[in-house]
Amino acid sequence: NAGVTQTPKFQVLKTGQSMTLQCAQDMNHNSMYWYRQDPGMGLRLIYYSASEGTTDKGEVPNGYNVSRLNKREFSLRLESAAPSQTSVYFCASSEGPRGYNSPLHFGNGTRLTVT
Amino acid sequence: EDQVTQSPEALRLQEGESSSLNCSYTVSGLRGLFWYRQDPGKGPEFLFTLYSAGEEKEKERLKATLTKKESFLHITAPKPEDSATYLCAVLSGAGSYQLTFGKGTKLSVIP
Repeated sequence: NAGVTQTPKFQVLKTGQSMTLQCAQDMNHNSMYWYRQDPGMGLRLIYYSASEGTTDKGEVPNGYNVSRLNKREFSLRLESAAPSQTSVYFCASSEGPRGYNSPLHFGNGTRLTVT
Repeated sequence: EDQVTQSPEALRLQEGESSSLNCSYTVSGLRGLFWYRQDPGKGPEFLFTLYSAGEEKEKERLKATLTKKESFLHITAPKPEDSATYLCAVLSGAGSYQLTFGKGTKLSVIP
């Protein structure tokens, strides 16, 4: 039982390049999330998906797009990477919808550096 | 605006030296408080959910408590494998929900 799997684990981009971060969960959860974690800051929500085909902006959505491909997969795309997007990105899932006391299950992150 | 403050930022303990981590919060309408453990290079791992003041939960050497303004994570007789960053997150709101994470406390347990 893998839980939440993220790929790639590491990535280096040049400013202006694009890339997609992949995330898949095998826990049959409806809700999925993308967070970023920066030094000296708490985890911040980028986007949320309550179910297949639905997405909502979080606290810091600018510069990102997402796709909920099916119940298992939720991808995050950077169309034109900027140095400010250098961060560690975490995908998470939860059994209940956002706002319910369902704990988040996190993947092990993608460490992205934009030069 | 919801605020979650964790203290101290870092804590070094000798093996067996008990202590507490603090998570203080200012939110509108607490729905739940979560504790997570994060190891280096890994994602956060869920530990506890607390719902109301006075509630306590335990797991091995960890005990989490909740008051109306703060939560404590008590670590009894810690071992080196308890070394990690501990994150607190608060769920608040009614209708429009907000999950706010603290910056974490980095715990180092020295043998």
